[in-house]
Amino acid sequence: KAGVTQTPRYLIKTRGQQVTLSCSPISGHRSVSWYQQTPGQGLQFLFEYFSETQRNKGNFPGRFSGRQFSNSRSEMNVSTLELGDSALYLCASSLPTAEKLFFGSGTQLSVL
Amino acid sequence: LAKTTQPISMDSYEGQEVNITCSHNNIATNDYITWYQQFPSQGPRFIIQGYKTKVTNEVASLFIPADRKSSTLSLPRVSLSDTAVYYCLVGSITGGGNKLTFGTGTQLKVEL
Repeated sequence: KAGVTQTPRYLIKTRGQQVTLSCSPISGHRSVSWYQQTPGQGLQFLFEYFSETQRNKGNFPGRFSGRQFSNSRSEMNVSTLELGDSALYLCASSLPTAEKLFFGSGTQLSVL
Repeated sequence: LAKTTQPISMDSYEGQEVNITCSHNNIATNDYITWYQQFPSQGPRFIIQGYKTKVTNEVASLFIPADRKSSTLSLPRVSLSDTAVYYCLVGSITGGGNKLTFGTGTQLKVEL
């Protein structure tokens, strides 16, 4: 069974641009969560989607948004990039009846 | 959301048993205790999960006392490849969705 796939693996953008990251969950997993990881703040929860609906949201500005498609694939978008948005963005999927998250390898975003 | 407290770092030698304790005083009745392992530039990986007493799998054991206000991850006979950050999480991802918060984690360094 394929794991959680995140694309692209690396991304370099400049301030003010926007970026879209993609996540394909494990087959059968309908919940997808996004996390931001930085050396200073650690792993921070961004939001979670289940059956195309945002179910939970972390404490991030509106520049961070996401969506989920009918096949459970998810995208997150960051608009008007700032230097502080440089981070490893992780996606995790899970079954609704399981207490376990499966993470992808992440997208390393660098904002110059 | 339950807050967790764990040591920032630990050092060990190959072949030794390592015990990492996590404190979670305000754990809720429905909360599970889950431990994840993370290597640099990778997503966290599930290690073990428990609700009460003791759980053991092929890589670790999890000890949870009756009051559930703390838990201990036990790694038997560690090797260099166990050098990683270990996160203790308390919460539930069923029902209302992913409400897990990652703490700062414990950086385990294993030496020869």
